[in-house]
Amino acid sequence: SQTIHQWPATLVQPVGSPLSLECTVEGTSNPNLYWYRQAAGRGLQLLFYSVGIGQISSEVPQNLSASRPQDRQFILSSKKLLLSDSGFYLCAWSSSGSSSLSGANVLTFGAGSRLTVL
Amino acid sequence: AQTVTQSQPEMSVQEAETVTLSCTYDTSESDYYLFWYKQPPSRQMILVIRQEAYKQQNATENRFSVNFQKAAKSFSLKISDSQLGDAAMYFCAYRSARGGADGLTFGKGTHLIIQP
Repeated sequence: SQTIHQWPATLVQPVGSPLSLECTVEGTSNPNLYWYRQAAGRGLQLLFYSVGIGQISSEVPQNLSASRPQDRQFILSSKKLLLSDSGFYLCAWSSSGSSSLSGANVLTFGAGSRLTVL
Repeated sequence: AQTVTQSQPEMSVQEAETVTLSCTYDTSESDYYLFWYKQPPSRQMILVIRQEAYKQQNATENRFSVNFQKAAKSFSLKISDSQLGDAAMYFCAYRSARGGADGLTFGKGTHLIIQP
């Protein structure tokens, strides 16, 4: 079965420091990968998605960047954190198949990473 | 661009009763998928139920069912026999069926409280 791991679970960082959140998926190959952010009391905002190694699409201009160095690894980074970067970050994956029977349209989420920037 | 609206920031229901959470969406597409996700205090996003827009039959999963009204662009979630473990944030979400890797578009969520 497929599993998705995200770490660290909790992170407290000072303004101006770098960030690296990591996400890995097991039990599948060539998944579509996603980073979402959930600010306090708000819904989920799609930040980045990737359909393959080195292929990153950005949905919203951010102080953040994403990379996919391996097929099942997705990294969210920042060189200098802002206070507004605080939030709950969720990684998700979906099958890259086109058939609804393959569950291609279901996103499965990791447990999330809570980032507090002070 | 698609939008998803959940007009109820918070709902409260007595244990064992039935509650309906509302969701409307806006799209120009004819083929798409709709979802309800649950986010308990642990913050893990859990899929509750999925509906394909081309299917007229409403999806059901045990105590969870939906009322999908395509013409009205409405997708409500009914929880029967509410249990304390149902307390969570519930998010309605939309995904295009046109292919590609588009992510989900979420509503802002409804906080469901279960009264014992």
